[in-house]
Amino acid sequence: DAGVIQSPRHEVTEMGQEVTLRCKPISGHDYLFWYRQTMMRGLELLIYFNNNVPIDDSGMPEDRFSAKMPNASFSTLKIQPSEPRDSAVYFCASSFDWSTDTQYFGPGTRLTVL
Amino acid sequence: GNSVTQMEGPVTLSEEAFLTINCTYTATGYPSLFWYVQYPGEGLQLLLKATKADDKGSNKGFEATYRKETTSFHLEKGSVQVSDSAVYFCALSVGYSGAGSYQLTFGKGTKLSVIP
Repeated sequence: DAGVIQSPRHEVTEMGQEVTLRCKPISGHDYLFWYRQTMMRGLELLIYFNNNVPIDDSGMPEDRFSAKMPNASFSTLKIQPSEPRDSAVYFCASSFDWSTDTQYFGPGTRLTVL
Repeated sequence: GNSVTQMEGPVTLSEEAFLTINCTYTATGYPSLFWYVQYPGEGLQLLLKATKADDKGSNKGFEATYRKETTSFHLEKGSVQVSDSAVYFCALSVGYSGAGSYQLTFGKGTKLSVIP
């Protein structure tokens, strides 16, 4: 399996622009997670899905952030409008089962908002 | 709530030195415990895990034992190599019944640098 695939790997945009990050989980995994990593705040869970349904979005910072999972093989994280404080590395991860199971992380998208 | 506390880094060791990275946790319920490793420019990957008390996880020479009495899951390696230089994250997850819900909590990470 190719592992979790994220695109783009790097994104540079200007404040106010819309940003869309994409993720393809490992086939057969029922859980998908979006994380944000910064030096100041470390690794933060933004939202996760089970069987394409959002289960917990309490980590989403504000209404500018939204996430969708239209099918089992694709998810997006959208920021509109983007702000410089959104600059971070965004990771997508997937797992087969819950609680005891391993999460498999993608390589991340490094977002820079100017 | 659930929380993970791990020792602050950075940690710098010489090659072949003994490594310990401390991790303690607080949790409701019965957590599973994990160590993830992040190499420069990459995503996190599982290093080892333990799903119940007294279990020992091990991989690539690293070990950690789930100690319920001390709520700890310290990471150890007898002889580190330069290739072990990375950031190490301790994490716990607790499952809740219904709707496939669970909570995963990561520590802040400990950066390890191993010098030749």
